[in-house]
Amino acid sequence: DQQVKQNSPSLSVQEGRISILNCDYTNSMFDYFLWYKKYPAEGPTFLISISSIKDKNEDGRFTVFLNKSAKHLSLHIVPSQPGDSAVYFCAASADSGAGSYQLTFGKGTKLSVIP
Amino acid sequence: NAGVTQTPKFQVLKTGQSMTLQCAQDMNHEYMSWYRQDPGMGLRLIHYSVGAGITDQGEVPNGYNVSRSTTEDFPLRLLSAAPSQTSVYFCASSLVWTGNTEAFFGQGTRLTVV
Repeated sequence: DQQVKQNSPSLSVQEGRISILNCDYTNSMFDYFLWYKKYPAEGPTFLISISSIKDKNEDGRFTVFLNKSAKHLSLHIVPSQPGDSAVYFCAASADSGAGSYQLTFGKGTKLSVIP
Repeated sequence: NAGVTQTPKFQVLKTGQSMTLQCAQDMNHEYMSWYRQDPGMGLRLIHYSVGAGITDQGEVPNGYNVSRSTTEDFPLRLLSAAPSQTSVYFCASSLVWTGNTEAFFGQGTRLTVV
């Protein structure tokens, strides 16, 4: 049973427009939600996170929105740039006991920003 | 800054062979973990460690062993390789682990088992 779902395998956006990447989750015990970006042949890199007690977090061009009642979060990139073309993973963390957290990842969404 | 270093980058194994994937970090991070990524799948946690001498299982631990004798190193051992272990393996580390701590990933090891 997939606890973190990214239902769009791919997304294409024109340069300068907004990119919206979506993520749904099923486990109400998740404490934090994180987005990672991955380029081909590289490891994922951290992008932005949000606590489950907040509904918005912003960092430059990147904003994450959390809707707890819908168990849904989204990543907005404004404006989109060609360098943003990558696979974006949504991840969620929960305390697995004794203060140790584990990350659960979605399958990823491949974003292509067209110049 | 080296960050998280994984070796080798590529490896081909025959079924039944054993090998060790190396992971080292130079950031004095307490928390280290191993993930595997399969086509069309997210990253799945294999094993993790919250400090030297302490390891625990993740979501998909079968067929893998780990140890953490130093803060810097966290090797992943495949005991008897199977084709189902063909995957890309990522090692990650964090200063601590409080749920939203940034994890730093290595570049990955692409393993093929034939």
